[in-house]
Amino acid sequence: AQKVTQAQTEISVVEKEDVTLDCVYETRDTTYYLFWYKQPPSGELVFLIRRNSFDEQNEISGRYSWNFQKSTSSFNFTITASQVVDSAVYFCALIGGATNKLIFGTGTLLAVQP
Amino acid sequence: GAVVSQHPSWVICKSGTSVKIECRSLDFQATTMFWYRQFPKQSLMLMATSNEGSKATYEQGVEKDKFLINHASLTLSTLTVTSAHPEDSSFYICSAGGTATYEQYFGPGTRLTVT
Repeated sequence: AQKVTQAQTEISVVEKEDVTLDCVYETRDTTYYLFWYKQPPSGELVFLIRRNSFDEQNEISGRYSWNFQKSTSSFNFTITASQVVDSAVYFCALIGGATNKLIFGTGTLLAVQP
Repeated sequence: GAVVSQHPSWVICKSGTSVKIECRSLDFQATTMFWYRQFPKQSLMLMATSNEGSKATYEQGVEKDKFLINHASLTLSTLTVTSAHPEDSSFYICSAGGTATYEQYFGPGTRLTVT
């Protein structure tokens, strides 16, 4: 079975703090894809990143960075110097094997206080 | 590129009526489209997968007679909530599949309120 766990339901930080959102996944497939999406209050999902199972390189994009570790089945997301505009629900998701079904985690609500 | 639209963005209807939600891929053709439902403060749950020209595949626990899905063309899929009830009030999101199995492009969502 495939599963994505986001243990942090809500996180509150003060602006300029760094924050890490955790994601742990389960799959028996050797080929899979991991995703992070942002869902602001408007509701529209914003794609942030996709990683395939063969690429464990960490990625940095501006204030965002991702740490993919197959050994711990984790795909954590860090926001550096958080801003109020980062306040949203963040979802980690997985597509495994030949399927095209996205399995979403339960999401983490990030509140960045000014 | 890869823009997906949904119409309407929000709708209020009375209990017992039917509501149709459209999902369009504006600048590409989508053989596969997906419909998700999201209750407040919850995650997205896949309802069904539709392939152009064939019947939709529904996830376990989703009533196919209540949530009618039609994928009549490569750019349009519709979800009809039949005989809607207040418990059907939710945020419905569609996505359109790209050329690779891992590609999905999400629409902005439709907020349905049944009174």
